Amino acid sequence: EVQLVESGGGLVQPGGSLRLSCAASGFTFSSYSMNWVRQAPGKGLEWVSYISSSSSTIYYADSVKGRFTISRDNAKNSLYLQMNSLRAEDTAVYYCARDCSSTSCYDYWGQGTLVTVSS
Amino acid sequence: VIWMTQSPSLLSASTGDRVTISCRMSQGISSYLAWYQQKPGKAPELLIYAASTLQSGVPSRFSGSGSGTDFTLTISCLQSEDFATYYCQQYYSFPWTFGQGTKVEIK
Repeated sequence: EVQLVESGGGLVQPGGSLRLSCAASGFTFSSYSMNWVRQAPGKGLEWVSYISSSSSTIYYADSVKGRFTISRDNAKNSLYLQMNSLRAEDTAVYYCARDCSSTSCYDYWGQGTLVTVSS
Repeated sequence: VIWMTQSPSLLSASTGDRVTISCRMSQGISSYLAWYQQKPGKAPELLIYAASTLQSGVPSRFSGSGSGTDFTLTISCLQSEDFATYYCQQYYSFPWTFGQGTKVEIK
């Protein structure tokens, strides 16, 4: 069974940093591209970042470019999102999501981890 | 950036109704479109990809159609478990984008 479990969310002050993790199991993690998608409270979905299976290709949304860094460790079956210079508008539930095979829909999602940026 | 217009934002319907949700793109995306269902407090779930391909395990009352700029999600006979919010997503070009969402509520 495919499982994605996020962790690392919490309350952080504006300007602070946080590192999210996503532990994957039930599939060959090193064969799939992965993503972070977020959802602000009461709002819609926003794609945040993409990383290919070998980490050779990485994309960011303009809203986080230069502040967030996506990475993965295929040996540990883990995906990460390092978030720096956090702003109030980064407050959201952050989901990790697996790319569909050979295409960029998302066929499996984690349960999400809440990041709250507030003083 | 490809802009997406999803409509309606709110849809009131009854169990057994046939409902349709529209997603229009600012430029053509071939068939690189997915539909997701999200229930309160839960992660989204993939319903349809490649505009019309049903994800494994999804009931056949869900269907998708369209290509280019205009797409539709249809639920042929609404069930109680279908009351949720639905999102379209284009994956034709970076940055991937989602529609604003359609909440299907009980009439």
